[in-house]
Amino acid sequence: DAGITQSPRHKVTETGTPVTLRCHQTENHRYMYWYRQDPGHGLRLIHYSYGVKDTDKGEVSDGYSVSRSKTEDFLLTLESATSSQTSVYFCAISTDRLVEQYFGPGTRLTVT
Amino acid sequence: AQSVAQPEDQVNVAEGNPLTVKCTYSVSGNPYLFWYVQYPNRGLQFLLKYITGDNLVKGSYGFEAEFNKSQTSFHLKKPSALVSDSALYFCAVRDYQGGGSQGNLIFGKGTKLSVKP
Repeated sequence: DAGITQSPRHKVTETGTPVTLRCHQTENHRYMYWYRQDPGHGLRLIHYSYGVKDTDKGEVSDGYSVSRSKTEDFLLTLESATSSQTSVYFCAISTDRLVEQYFGPGTRLTVT
Repeated sequence: AQSVAQPEDQVNVAEGNPLTVKCTYSVSGNPYLFWYVQYPNRGLQFLLKYITGDNLVKGSYGFEAEFNKSQTSFHLKKPSALVSDSALYFCAVRDYQGGGSQGNLIFGKGTKLSVKP
């Protein structure tokens, strides 16, 4: 999976609790992305980063925040998890916004 | 606004037969098109892309895709399917309008390919 790790790989949490997912890359790529995958929706972009401390919103950013303090790490935070945020979350990286992205193995999050 | 459609939720093919997974797109500017494959419990893997140039693009694992501007399509093809090709396939498009103006990568909903022995 192209030098990308995600942690945790599985998580079960309760409604209302904060959750942070981590993406770590060893490729030194400038761009990092967070997607969620849901049946019938494909992948939808949550947030992306174009450099350290530079982030922007994607299609489904409500209820999520991100931070990137180092090139290699991109964190996704659910401030107060809801059942609608039960999903599989993928991190991706790329050298440029126009080229192909490489994906991590995913994190399966269940909010009960 | 850009969009991408995969009209078939599932495609069934016999091993050894040719396969086609369909994708159509809509953009305002020039399309950057991608195909990805996802095996169970794995992340997406990049297969191939069309940016410019030859309309027939060759990619990994013997796959190829044909860009058709008039039909706004980018169908994925393989001459002879293998059982191991069974997976979920995603088409994605980015709208590039020049001058640094570009949209985010938009994914189709995916097509499940099932190859039977």
